[in-house]
Amino acid sequence: QKEVEQDPGPLSVPEGAIVSLNCTYSNSAFQYFMWYRQYSRKGPELLMYTYSSGNKEDGRFTAQVDKSSKYISLFIRDSQPSDSATYLCAMTSNYQLIWGAGTKLIIKP
Amino acid sequence: GAVVSQHPSWVICKSGTSVKIECRSLDFQATTMFWYRQFPKQSLMLMATSNEGSKATYEQGVEKDKFLINHASLTLSTLTVTSAHPEDSSFYICSARARTGLANYGYTFGSGTRLTVV
Repeated sequence: QKEVEQDPGPLSVPEGAIVSLNCTYSNSAFQYFMWYRQYSRKGPELLMYTYSSGNKEDGRFTAQVDKSSKYISLFIRDSQPSDSATYLCAMTSNYQLIWGAGTKLIIKP
Repeated sequence: GAVVSQHPSWVICKSGTSVKIECRSLDFQATTMFWYRQFPKQSLMLMATSNEGSKATYEQGVEKDKFLINHASLTLSTLTVTSAHPEDSSFYICSARARTGLANYGYTFGSGTRLTVV
């Protein structure tokens, strides 16, 4: 079993829809949880990070962490074609990032 | 914000030659640099971790004599793929963590280098 599980997709939704991206993990030692966006042939870009359970909002993005269930989510409201990218979750303990496989998101105009 | 400049963005080389990839932190001091490779439609795979002035720590299965990492200064780390072969063709990405250990664990990534060995 992988430490971090993430459905690779692709996930295709119409423009304007609310997108839900998820990861599950098995290591209860993970402390920080992050979401990265990666456009094709580019390096990952940090979108959100969270530490505690609960929600964190930044514009159209909301990151949610449920440590009791070992489950994290990223919600994108009013999705735009420019949001089409691969979204990777990552979490850390001991200063090393453990990555999900990434979910390819396609927003159809 | 923190910026990591990585170049070249793409390179094609002949089999048997060596290729050097550079990553520079432009506005912060990167005490730790991570090097990843990524195959198509796969997640990032950590190759090695380097701390400034120290030898790199390689992940299991990564040949340290083939992938030479130098982190001689707080703003520059290099990855040299020696005697490259077609199976080394991949997307290589560096990531830096600042001296102050960003409380948000904001690892900053370079834009990546696509290496094609022919």
